Amino acid sequence: EAQVTQNPRYLITVTGKKLTVTCSQNMNHEYMSWYRQDPGLGLRQIYYSMNVEVTDKGDVPEGYKVSRKEKRNFPLILESPSPNQTSLYFCASSLRAGGSSYNSPLHFGNGTRLTVT
Amino acid sequence: DAKTTQPNSMESNEEEPVHLPCNHSTISGTDYIHWYRQLPSQGPEYVIHGLTSNVNNRMASLAIAEDRKSSTLILHRATLRDAAVYYCILRDMGGQGGKLIFGQGTELSVKP
Repeated sequence: EAQVTQNPRYLITVTGKKLTVTCSQNMNHEYMSWYRQDPGLGLRQIYYSMNVEVTDKGDVPEGYKVSRKEKRNFPLILESPSPNQTSLYFCASSLRAGGSSYNSPLHFGNGTRLTVT
Repeated sequence: DAKTTQPNSMESNEEEPVHLPCNHSTISGTDYIHWYRQLPSQGPEYVIHGLTSNVNNRMASLAIAEDRKSSTLILHRATLRDAAVYYCILRDMGGQGGKLIFGQGTELSVKP
């Protein structure tokens, strides 16, 4: 089944303890992206990757890192989490970022709810 | 970055059509108009997208204004399962298609 898989689904951690949220897709998609969702603020893009080894900042990249060493995986790294990073996180992928019409629909994971105390 | 504007919330009755509007006055010629919806406790899911012409699929229809500065997502017969937050976004078809702005979307409630 074609899907985007995020792990873990729920995570509670303490301030300053490094963590990684994994994202994997099995559709050979070039484009991957991370979002956070907070009440009243909608979905905000953190980072995106147009292809392997190509990453760029979204609207709210501060406090996050990403890497894209292989096509299927796009982990989100919080080197020193803080309480203001408590949020619901979504990973998404699409065949390509642009190009012809069929490339563009985004597929989302089920989300990771992170709490930083 | 081109942005979209949607009403915060809308209400509909079950079995009736729903028209969800979206304004995108700064749309560029290479932007596709995408719609996604997010059901409670789930990730967003793709609904439909288009460039210039109106589009239909099994989920909905997309009506695009002639000047492309606005669009309307049409649910022909709303069901209780259509209660969700609906997002309208613009996605560049070329090399700038990476950065996306979702906004807060429209929360649709459906009354039985």
